[in-house]
Amino acid sequence: GENVGLHLPTLSVQEGDNSIINCAYSNSASDYFIWYKQESGKGPQFIIDIRSNMDKRQGQRVTVLLNKTVKHLSLQIAATQPGDSAVYFCAERSGYSTLTFGKGTMLLVSP
Amino acid sequence: DGGITQSPKYLFRKEGQNVTLSCEQNLNHDAMYWYRQDPGQGLRLIYYSQIVNDFQKGDIAEGYSVSREKKESFPLTVTSAQKNPTAFYLCASSTGTDFGYTFGSGTRLTVV
Repeated sequence: GENVGLHLPTLSVQEGDNSIINCAYSNSASDYFIWYKQESGKGPQFIIDIRSNMDKRQGQRVTVLLNKTVKHLSLQIAATQPGDSAVYFCAERSGYSTLTFGKGTMLLVSP
Repeated sequence: DGGITQSPKYLFRKEGQNVTLSCEQNLNHDAMYWYRQDPGQGLRLIYYSQIVNDFQKGDIAEGYSVSREKKESFPLTVTSAQKNPTAFYLCASSTGTDFGYTFGSGTRLTVV
């Protein structure tokens, strides 16, 4: 598969643990944020999004937290499973601009 | 099923040759995008198109060209002017500015 995870920050957890992946974004004017998951050899898949008028949003086993004061975004994955192993990207957008992606974090889940 | 299809999955090119990567979507999305992904780096925008017959340069457009003659199709040509073309190329589409992108499965281009 694609070695997109090479040289990326890595988070290693045990199956069943909760995982927290962090992202610092750069543009204080960004008003829309997304988390994507990318498995080896595949394109990124949408996980969850959040708008700047919110500070928390929950999905199935995932929660995104947004702290606009310090320009920080986090993705929490509850009861992490081996199938969650992948590279996770945050992306931001301001107004009508295109998405700008972070460099990603590799999540490794051990059985 | 609706989706976005990139072909081929793997592509080999000799130095000095142009090569075209295909991207087709049947999601009825107006906007389409091409990104380049290198190991350890995020996605970098090459070109994007928000409507048929119109496209804009992204951050790393040099050595690439695109066309958008149909809503469903947004092919990317990697020209011989691109100095380091070996990479994983991702195509994406969206309904517009208010939503996230749907990605294809990517094309791995290798210059031999």
